[in-house]
Order: sequence, then structure tokens, then C-alpha cells
Amino acid sequence: GESVGLHLPTLSVQEGDNSIINCAYSNSASDYFIWYKQESGKGPQFIIDIRSNMDKRQGQRVTVLLNKTVKHLSLQIAATQPGDSAVYFCACSWGGSYIPTFGRGTSLIVHP
Amino acid sequence: NAGVTQTPKFRVLKTGQSMTLLCAQDMNHEYMYWYRQDPGMGLRLIHYSVGEGTTAKGEVPDGYNVSRLKKQNFLLGLESAAPSQTSVYFCASTGQGAETQYFGPGTRLLVL
Repeated sequence: GESVGLHLPTLSVQEGDNSIINCAYSNSASDYFIWYKQESGKGPQFIIDIRSNMDKRQGQRVTVLLNKTVKHLSLQIAATQPGDSAVYFCACSWGGSYIPTFGRGTSLIVHP
Repeated sequence: NAGVTQTPKFRVLKTGQSMTLLCAQDMNHEYMYWYRQDPGMGLRLIHYSVGEGTTAKGEVPDGYNVSRLKKQNFLLGLESAAPSQTSVYFCASTGQGAETQYFGPGTRLLVL
């Protein structure tokens, strides 16, 4: 079965720094990857996604990098702000299955 | 457009009691899901539905039942609550042809 893991359970950064959150997946058939942000007491919210035919995608202050060779995904947040403090989940799916597998989450703590 | 809503927000049950969690979405989404979230465990899929009148088991279905009588609603039932079912429950939905999930705000359940 699929397993999706995150390398660090907690990441602490200073306001203004760039943050990098990593994720590894095991199923080489995975072709769709999503990052979600979950603030305290709320449900996960979509941040950015990427398909397997791409290796990089940029949004507003966020970039997702996909390395299919080593089955690794990362989320980069530029100029991290206190409002970015949250738990970040990666999720992956394959073949349009609509049943994603979620990682366990990394808690990002931004210090002012 | 309310998105995905969940009722109730918080509930305390005694062991053996039953209850139903309601999820509603107003985005005309085909797919709906129930997850539970426990500390350090990420999101685990309980049951899901690929359309009105259909349901399927997820990763951790035991002790739960679901129904999708209307397209916009997905009900999660606990027939005889156990302390192990203390958790935060999230409902999500996805539209046909899309893979990004939209999550509700969660229901916090405490079983004593």
C-alpha cells in the first residue's frame, strides 16, 4: 500500500525566512500531489498541487517541487509570516482514484 | 456558498451511546469522504461515497456506518460509541473530474 511520510514533525523558523517542508511517497504510480494547510481548530485547506508531468509549480509565495526519481515532494514558503504557522500535509493519489493518501503532517512554527 | 459544513461542532458521548454526524456541501460535488484525525496519525479515511446512494469502506471503517441518501449530504453514524472513537472528524468533498478535496471545519467527539 501507499505510505506518505514527512521528514520532520516540527519545523521552527524566524519570520521572513524561507521554509521548506519535505514529503516522501512510496508508490511510483502516484501522479497527483497536493499540499494542504491546517490551522489550529480548522479543517485542511488546499494550498497548491502538482501533477507528475511537472517538476515544479509556483503559487503566491509557495513553490512545490517534485522529484519522481527519489519519490520526494517539497513545499517551499518564501518570506514566512506568522500567519503561515500551521500543520502542513502532503497527499498523493494515482490514476484519478479520488482517494488520496495523506502524510502525518509537519507543524510549522513561525517566530516573530 | 457555504462550502462544506458539519454538524455538530462538538459532542460528548458516553460509551455505548449512538449519534450521527452530518456533513453537507453546496458545491454539487459527486465525491464525499469522512476522515478521523488523531494526534500524530494524520487523516485516516473511514468511509467515502462516489455518488448519491453509494458508499464504500475506507482504511478504518469498523464501528461506523454511513449513508448518502442525498447528493449534498453524507451522514456518519456511530451505533455504539467507544472511547477509541474519541477523535476529530472531518468531512470532505470533491467534484467530478477534480481531485482537490474541500474540507469541513470538523466535529470534535469525546467518548467517555
